[in-house]
Amino acid sequence: DAGITQSPRYKITETGRQVTLMCHQTWSHSYMFWYRQDLGHGLRLIYYSAAADITDKGEVPDGYVVSRSKTENFPLTLESATRSQTSVYFCASSESLGTASYRGAFFGQGTRLTVV
Amino acid sequence: ELKVEQNPLFLSMQEGKNYTIYCNYSTTSDRLYWYRQDPGKSLESLFVLLSNGAVKQEGRLMASLDTKARLSTLHITAAVHDLSATYFCAVEGSNDYKLSFGAGTTVTVRA
Repeated sequence: DAGITQSPRYKITETGRQVTLMCHQTWSHSYMFWYRQDLGHGLRLIYYSAAADITDKGEVPDGYVVSRSKTENFPLTLESATRSQTSVYFCASSESLGTASYRGAFFGQGTRLTVV
Repeated sequence: ELKVEQNPLFLSMQEGKNYTIYCNYSTTSDRLYWYRQDPGKSLESLFVLLSNGAVKQEGRLMASLDTKARLSTLHITAAVHDLSATYFCAVEGSNDYKLSFGAGTTVTVRA
């Protein structure tokens, strides 16, 4: 199915464990993003990628690592999970503005992560 | 740092009446987006506004952008229950596709 999918949808992990959230899009969009959504903070950008092998930090990158070896995948890894990383994580992708069908970023269903 | 402020944060609407949500942002930008989020769901794109004076309409929703005033409005006409959701505006600060979001406006439509 076309679109952007995240896995897992729900995850409970222990403090100190490494956990990876997966994101896959089928549109071949150049741009991909990871946001976290927290009550009182709205959505904040963690990392983004402009193309395969090009990534850069967003507003709240500490404690997270990303990679993008293929255009369609953009996994987010929490190297050593902390309770403050309990959140809902959204992956998003976007095509370039120059396309006639440009509609901005499309968001995945989200991953609800709880760190205990 | 680009800051995006929405108001009000909570809006209780009466069915059939008109309302406006405001989105102010702190630095120059001519790319602004409106999203809708239902509880426990993802964000759905509503409008893409890419130039000063842009106006987009879909059903009972109309969005506009004034880049000189750094202001966008989302106008709701004759509110209906189906419009109950949280609405976010998001701004691109440097034409780099990275979004800074407002805190969201939670809309509840009552009979």
